[in-house]
Amino acid sequence: AQSVSQHNHHVILSEAASLELGCNYSYGGTVNLFWYVQYPGQHLQLLLKYFSGDPLVKGIKGFEAEFIKSKFSFNLRKPSVQWSDTAEYFCAVVGFTGGGNKLTFGTGTQLKVEL
Amino acid sequence: GAGVSQSPSNKVTEKGKDVELRCDPISGHTALYWYRQSLGQGLEFLIYFQGNSAPDKSGLPSDRFSAERTGGSVSTLTIQRTQQEDSAVYLCASSFDRTSETQYFGPGTRLLVL
Repeated sequence: AQSVSQHNHHVILSEAASLELGCNYSYGGTVNLFWYVQYPGQHLQLLLKYFSGDPLVKGIKGFEAEFIKSKFSFNLRKPSVQWSDTAEYFCAVVGFTGGGNKLTFGTGTQLKVEL
Repeated sequence: GAGVSQSPSNKVTEKGKDVELRCDPISGHTALYWYRQSLGQGLEFLIYFQGNSAPDKSGLPSDRFSAERTGGSVSTLTIQRTQQEDSAVYLCASSFDRTSETQYFGPGTRLLVL
């Protein structure tokens, strides 16, 4: 079975600080990897995704993530965070077992950016 | 076009009562998913529908949980004899088809069982 670990549950940063949120997954086969974000009072929305090609993927709002297959990792980064990045961030994985795209989520990281 | 919609947005019920939660997927999306977001538990998969195929119910936590999808569109998640541990946000998502990697989420139904 696939699983996802997010190591940081709560992160507090000042504006302009750099961000890196860790995500490791457990699955032996081909995977698609995602970061979803949930801003306060809003729906879950896709931030970025990886399924093949360049392991460094860029998403919305200046976020990027790097897939390192040897480390089973897909860490999320942003060079300079803004107050508006305050949200909960979820890493998710889909393993291809033929059962459709059932997302397995990590427990989420609550990011608070202070002015 | 409209996104995924869910109703009600909030539901408070008494332990032992049945509840029904509704999901309207994005028009044209054939795949529909239910997830549950519990405090401290993250998001967990419950059930998946794809077109007219038999649903994948592997994530349903007990036989008190069931779901239907009528006409390949609207879905209803039913929880019978609710328990306090059922309190959570129930999220619905849809995607164009089973191979589409992007799921679009609704706003969720916040269920509180007293």
